[in-house]
Amino acid sequence: QQQVKQSPQSLIVQKGGISIINCAYENTAFDYFPWYQQFPGKGPALLIAIRPDVSEKKEGRFTISFNKSAKQFSLHIMDSQPGDSATYFCAARKKTSYDKVIFGPGTSLSVIP
Amino acid sequence: GAGVSQSPRYKVTKRGQDVALRCDPISGHVSLYWYRQALGQGPEFLTYFNYEAQQDKSGLPNDRFSAERPEGSISTLTIQRTEQRDSAMYRCASSLDQRANEKLFFGSGTQLSVL
Repeated sequence: QQQVKQSPQSLIVQKGGISIINCAYENTAFDYFPWYQQFPGKGPALLIAIRPDVSEKKEGRFTISFNKSAKQFSLHIMDSQPGDSATYFCAARKKTSYDKVIFGPGTSLSVIP
Repeated sequence: GAGVSQSPRYKVTKRGQDVALRCDPISGHVSLYWYRQALGQGPEFLTYFNYEAQQDKSGLPNDRFSAERPEGSISTLTIQRTEQRDSAMYRCASSLDQRANEKLFFGSGTQLSVL
């Protein structure tokens, strides 16, 4: 049973467009929501993260929107570039000190010129 | 070291053999995690350590899988009597400590192929 659901599975966006990836969770004990970016042949790397006490967090072209009541969060990539082509994983972690990060299944993003 | 180091990078073994995968975390990182990642899937949690203590091993698929981190630094994930279904990318990650907002630094992984 997936604790973190993610959609779409794959996404193709024109250069300069907005890429949107959506995630949903069920466990209300989650209180930290990171996004990881993975390029082929590399390990995932933290891109941006949010806690549920805020509804939005922006870092450069990357924005997380968080809807606590709906238990959903999304990643928006503005002005998408070919270099953004990668697999993106949303994730979640419980607030207890000793706990693991649970990853979603991933979204493969291709930004075409 | 500069990053999380895993060895070997590739491991091909025959069904029934034991394998040991090594992870050398970033120096000073307290927490160490093992994940398994199938092609086209997200990392799947296996186990994790704070210092030398194994805090959670709930993700280990069965008793053929074990992990240790005896001195709180290097960790070894051992798979006994390997089976073809064990074939996957095994990734190690470390973080500075176990606080909820600490980011994970992943290694490049060990690609295990069981023939």
